[in-house]
Amino acid sequence: KQEVTQIPAALSVPEGENLVLNCSFTDSAIYNLQWFRQDPGKGLTSLLLIQSSQREQTSGRLNASLDKSSGRSTLYIAASQPGDSATYLCASLRLNTNAGKSTFGDGTTLTVKP
Amino acid sequence: DAGITQSPRHKVTETGTPVTLRCHQTENHRYMYWYRQDPGHGLRLIHYSYGVKDTDKGEVSDGYSVSRSKTEDFLLTLESATSSQTSVYFCAIRTDYNSPLHFGNGTRLTVT
Repeated sequence: KQEVTQIPAALSVPEGENLVLNCSFTDSAIYNLQWFRQDPGKGLTSLLLIQSSQREQTSGRLNASLDKSSGRSTLYIAASQPGDSATYLCASLRLNTNAGKSTFGDGTTLTVKP
Repeated sequence: DAGITQSPRHKVTETGTPVTLRCHQTENHRYMYWYRQDPGHGLRLIHYSYGVKDTDKGEVSDGYSVSRSKTEDFLLTLESATSSQTSVYFCAIRTDYNSPLHFGNGTRLTVT
């Protein structure tokens, strides 16, 4: 059974700092990896999807990497801003014809202080 | 905006009553999912659909049923609501098994 772990559970940084959020998983064989952000009381917003055959994806100040051999993904946020404050979740998405199985981490709650 | 609408956004109901939540999508995605999100448990899959009339159970399906009679609508029914089903329910969609998940804004359900 796939397990996804995100450490730390909470992180507080001053504005402008670069930071890395971690996601580890136990079964890397046939999964894509997706990062989301969730603001309080809101739904999940997709940030980046790394397909199983890829090593990284970039969008603006965000860069996500995937290392299947070590079972880890990282989300790098450059030049953090107070607006980046949110909970960040990673999820492994199974690749098969039914595409039913997805496993989510519990998230890292990020606070960026002005 | 992934074209997902969940209704209602908020609902309060009494124990033992039936409740139906609706997820509507406008972009013809094949896969649709229902999740619940609870403090301490994260997001858990209830049921999902991989086509019209094709559904399967997730990890927390007991007490829930689903139906998908049209591509655009996926209904989640609590046949007899219990207090343990108080939660935030999210619908998600996916074009194919290699594409990203996109979520709706959620339905906050309180069972008293």
